[in-house]
Amino acid sequence: KNQVEQSPQSLIILEGKNCTLQCNYTVSPFSNLRWYKQDTGRGPVSLTIMTFSENTKSNGRYTATLDADTKQSSLHITASQLSDSASYICVVSGESGGYNKLIFGAGTRLAVHP
Amino acid sequence: NAGVTQTPKFQVLKTGQSMTLQCAQDMNHNSMYWYRQDPGMGLRLIYYSASEGTTDKGEVPNGYNVSRLNKREFSLRLESAAPSQTSVYFCASQWGNGGEQYFGPGTRLTVT
Repeated sequence: KNQVEQSPQSLIILEGKNCTLQCNYTVSPFSNLRWYKQDTGRGPVSLTIMTFSENTKSNGRYTATLDADTKQSSLHITASQLSDSASYICVVSGESGGYNKLIFGAGTRLAVHP
Repeated sequence: NAGVTQTPKFQVLKTGQSMTLQCAQDMNHNSMYWYRQDPGMGLRLIYYSASEGTTDKGEVPNGYNVSRLNKREFSLRLESAAPSQTSVYFCASQWGNGGEQYFGPGTRLTVT
């Protein structure tokens, strides 16, 4: 069964600290892996998209890694800010009948405290 | 350039009532999607439209119908609302197959 599992479910850190969010997936065939940020009451916004051949991709203070062999990804946030408080969703894309189907994780809810 | 817009933002329905959620995008994208988001779960695909004039079922289509009115607009209709359809509904659009999806702000629907 195609699944995307994220850990931890929730996380509290102090402003200025770093953190790493984890994503394990069992989606096959694999097309790409995406990380989205979702602020409370808003729609998800894309942070990174990585294909099979990409190991690391950065977007400002966000760095995503992908290990396609172990089917694991992580999102590292550096020098956290209060505005980083949000849910972070891991999404894996796989081909299904010619359509690029997205499988969404349940997300990690991050709270950054001053 | 508004991106993806959705109306309404909030809606309360009684069981058995019907309503249509509206979605429009101004990015000239071919593909459009409707998802629902429930607490503790990932977004689940209800219906999608790969191009104008085509629609296909997603993971959880029961109780819903869609219309791809033109390239810009993709509506979701609940014919007879049920409490199990209480959720947050997101519309998204995408240029091609595999590209980035852009999401609207969502519609929070409560069915009593």
